[in-house]
Amino acid sequence: SQQGEEDPQALSIQEGENATMNCSYKTSINNLQWYRQNSGRGLVHLILIRSNEREKHSGRLRVTLDTSKKSSSLLITASRAADTASYFCATSSYQGGSEKLVFGKGTKLTVNP
Amino acid sequence: NAGVTQTPKFQVLKTGQSMTLQCAQDMNHEYMSWYRQDPGMGLRLIHYSVGAGITDQGEVPNGYNVSRSTTEDFPLRLLSAAPSQTSVYFCASSSWPSGRGEQFFGPGTRLTVL
Repeated sequence: SQQGEEDPQALSIQEGENATMNCSYKTSINNLQWYRQNSGRGLVHLILIRSNEREKHSGRLRVTLDTSKKSSSLLITASRAADTASYFCATSSYQGGSEKLVFGKGTKLTVNP
Repeated sequence: NAGVTQTPKFQVLKTGQSMTLQCAQDMNHEYMSWYRQDPGMGLRLIHYSVGAGITDQGEVPNGYNVSRSTTEDFPLRLLSAAPSQTSVYFCASSSWPSGRGEQFFGPGTRLTVL
């Protein structure tokens, strides 16, 4: 039951450029989270945005949420080679009477030095 | 704090064998989950627990068992391994019910079933 779908599936940019990843979902959500996964490692939480919020910032990260379009975007400014990773959105919503967190398939970001 | 730890890091099984993937956390989190990650599929929830003695099924529970006798530990048992269970398994914990807050992930166990 995939909820979030990231776009693009893969993104390659030069160091110093900005990277934008998008996430679309289908049903009402309580919050949306973004995670990063370096190759061969576990996921690391980046940021959580609640359904009543429109924008959040954390360092070089900016997340927006448009509940009317059921979409979110993650912007990484002034990218670095160390930002190379896969990025996943995860949506929290009530399913079958309980709250569940459902992950998308991810965007693979490559930042070239 | 060690956070969330998982053992083993790698495992190769033959079809029909059983094994237990270990997961432990030292953050006193009530909520723990097991996910599997397959290429092009994202993470899918296998089982989760909202506290010691309480577990429930996720999206893909068939072929797996869990128990939660302590707050710290949440082992995942494969009763009779099948090639379809070849995957990377992640354990996660949180101080919030699933989805309400940040989840902390372990480093994963890469399982191959021949």
